[in-house]
Amino acid sequence: EVQLLESGGGFLQPGGSLRLSCAASGFTFTTYAMTWVRQAPGKGPEWVSAITGSGDRTFYTDSVKGRFTISRDNSKNTLFLQMNSLRAEDSAIYYCAKGGRDTNMILDYWGQGTSVTVSP
Amino acid sequence: EVVLTQSPATLSLSPGESATLSCRASQSVAKYLAWFQQKPGQAPRLLIYDTSIRATGIPARFSGSGSETDFTLTISSLEPEDFAIYYCQQRYSWPPLTFGGGTKVEIK
Repeated sequence: EVQLLESGGGFLQPGGSLRLSCAASGFTFTTYAMTWVRQAPGKGPEWVSAITGSGDRTFYTDSVKGRFTISRDNSKNTLFLQMNSLRAEDSAIYYCAKGGRDTNMILDYWGQGTSVTVSP
Repeated sequence: EVVLTQSPATLSLSPGESATLSCRASQSVAKYLAWFQQKPGQAPRLLIYDTSIRATGIPARFSGSGSETDFTLTISSLEPEDFAIYYCQQRYSWPPLTFGGGTKVEIK
């Protein structure tokens, strides 16, 4: 059974940093791309970032480029999102989602999310 | 960026009725459109990908159709557990992956 468990969310002030983690199990982690998707209260999902199975390619939405870094540790089946220079508009539930092989972005499994709140 | 526009914003129906949800793309996404269901407090769940392929465990009452810029999700006979928000998402032209604004299917 595929399981994704996010952690690391919290409440912090603008300009702060946070590192989210997503522990994966139930599939061959290194084979699949992974993504982060966020959802602000009352809004639809917004894709944030993606990384290939090997970690050799990363992708970001424009609003987080230069501030967020996606990475993965395939030896520990864990996905990360380092978030720096956080803004109020980054407040959301952050989900990790499993993609397909290479850059095939069929988001077939999602974690339950971790909440990030950025406020003075 | 591909913009996905969903309509209607809200659909009020009774259990047993059929639901038809629309998703229109600002440019062609070929067949690479997916549908998700989301209930309060839960993560989105993949229902359909590549226009018409049901994800694992998804009941046959959910079906998808369309191509290029116009897509439809049909729920043939609404069950009580189907009342939720539905989002479409494209993976043809990315980054960024994009989602529609959602259609809420509520009990009439």
